[in-house]
Amino acid sequence: DQQVKQNSPSLSVQEGRISILNCDYTNSMFDYFLWYKKYPAEGPTFLISISSIKDKNEDGRFTVFLNKSAKHLSLHIVPSQPGDSAVYFCAASEEGAQKLVFGQGTRLTINP
Amino acid sequence: NAGVMQNPRHLVRRRGQEARLRCSPMKGHSHVYWYRQLPEEGLKFMVYLQKENIIDESGMPKERFSAEFPKEGPSILRIQQVVRGDSAAYFCASSSLANYGYTFGSGTRLTVV
Repeated sequence: DQQVKQNSPSLSVQEGRISILNCDYTNSMFDYFLWYKKYPAEGPTFLISISSIKDKNEDGRFTVFLNKSAKHLSLHIVPSQPGDSAVYFCAASEEGAQKLVFGQGTRLTINP
Repeated sequence: NAGVMQNPRHLVRRRGQEARLRCSPMKGHSHVYWYRQLPEEGLKFMVYLQKENIIDESGMPKERFSAEFPKEGPSILRIQQVVRGDSAAYFCASSSLANYGYTFGSGTRLTVV
């Protein structure tokens, strides 16, 4: 049962343009959402998070949007840079739980 | 301040052997989490430990897998009698409080031959 889904295995974007990564979830008990970035042979690195009481959180070039009614969140990166090329994981957690449920990941490639 | 240290980075075991994966959390962190990533999949939670205590092991297979986080020394994830399906990347994370601000290690890639 895949509670967090990233339906696009890969995404290719031109440098300087906007990258939009999408994530859907099925568990209505999730109340905290995170995005992680992962380079090959390294562990995931935390990027940005959002609580279910918000619908948007911004940090520099990264913005996360949450649509609770649609059980959907997205990560916007603008402008995209070559160093953004990595695998991006969406993750979610229920209130009070320490474990994160991860999506399958989306491989983002930024083309010069 | 070193990050989360995992060793070995790569581990090859024959079927039936034991695999022992070590994780040293960041200095001052007393919460440790283990996740497993199978090829082409996301990370799957295995276990959450605080010093000397297992808090949540709901993601651990019922047999062959065990974890500990002793008062002194690193956290250990032990897999007995490994099978090919145990081949995966195992990631450890740590935090200073029980929150989601984990810092992940670089992982141990286990290959069972």
